[in-house]
Formats: sequence, structure tokens, C-alpha cells
Amino acid sequence: DTGVSQDPRHKITKRGQNVTFRCDPISEHNRLYWYRQTLGQGPEFLTYFQNEAQLEKSRLLSDRFSAERPKGSFSTLEIQRTEQGDSAMYLCASSLVGTGAHEQFFGPGTRLTVL
Amino acid sequence: AQKVTQAQTEISVVEKEDVTLDCVYETRDTTYYLFWYKQPPSGELVFLIRRNSFDEQNEISGRYSWNFQKSTSSFNFTITASQVVDSAVYFCALSGPTGGGNKLTFGTGTQLKVEL
Repeated sequence: DTGVSQDPRHKITKRGQNVTFRCDPISEHNRLYWYRQTLGQGPEFLTYFQNEAQLEKSRLLSDRFSAERPKGSFSTLEIQRTEQGDSAMYLCASSLVGTGAHEQFFGPGTRLTVL
Repeated sequence: AQKVTQAQTEISVVEKEDVTLDCVYETRDTTYYLFWYKQPPSGELVFLIRRNSFDEQNEISGRYSWNFQKSTSSFNFTITASQVVDSAVYFCALSGPTGGGNKLTFGTGTQLKVEL
């Protein structure tokens, strides 16, 4: 039983470049969440999908951020024209909704450094 | 709005000591869920426990125990006979209908250091 996987684990980019991260949830999970965590803080919600539908986006998600979950399987998070303030750990989590369970299982994260 | 407060930024203990991590939450929801996650130095958040707001029964799992008190809006976590492997950042989190989509609202975490 594989857990949530994320790729890449680390990304270093120059300001102004575009980056894309991938998340593969636990296979039977229908909900997928993206969070961002900066140093010394707890994760903050960015967006979530139920199957392929993106149901909510946080105010933290500026128009430079876009997320997709085609076919309700893996998800991608793209950041365009990166800024130094985008440097953070980007976490993906998945859960199975409808069975009463609400716990989210997290991947290892993608650490982004914008120079 | 939902809010989780973990007032203890860092705790240091000697191995085999008991330690309690505090968590206080705010929500207007009558039904909600509380969680504890562990984040070791590797960075991956590990799920520890979920409690429903309508179930105030305390829970014990090995060296871990959780004390949920609705009257004080607290969900504290105790590690008995701490071990070096317990060293990590521990996050308390809350989800409920107000937040929408069961998304989690996290506290700022408590860094636990267990030394020999």
C-alpha cells in the first residue's frame, strides 16, 4: 500500500521562472489537498479537489498559482513567475471522503527555493 | 473563523520523562474534528490521531495519550516515558464545516527535543 508521493522533493529556481510540482495520492482517495508550509509555521491550506473538480482555493493562492487534477488521479501545482516569497515547502495530502474518515495523509513535500 | 493555538514553541526533556503538548482551539462549529500530526526532521507529516467533537472519551495508544476537553476547548497530547525518537515538531489541527472541505487549520507547532 503506497502512500502519497510528490515530485520533485527539492526545486531550486531563479526568480521569474515557472515551476510545476506533481502529487500522486493514495490510489483510492477521492480528495486531494495542497498546503504550503514556511519555516516555523504550520501548513496553510491552498486548494483542494474532489475527484477532478477543484472545489476551493485559498486567498493565499494568487493568480500566479494554478492547480489541476485531470481524471481525478494525480495533481499538479504550477507557479508562474516565481517570487522569493514563494520559497516554502509545498505539501500534498489525500483523504477518502464518504466513509466517515476524515484524516488526511501527507506526502513528503516539495521544498522550493527561489533565488 | 477557526483557530488553533499551540503556545509552547519548544520543549526539551530528558529521555524517560513524561511530556504534555498543549493545544487550544476556536471554532463556531458544533461538529468538528481534531487531529495531531508529527513532523520528524525528514519533513513528512505523520498522522497520529483524530477525535470527533461529539466523542470526549480520552484515548491511549501505547506511550501516547490524548485528553480532549470541550469545556476548555483543549486537546492535549501526552507522551509517557519519552524517547529520543519522539523528537519532532508536533502539530495540532482542526477541521469542520466552517472551514469547508474538511481542510485542516494547523497550529504553529511545538518542537519537542528529547535528549539522553
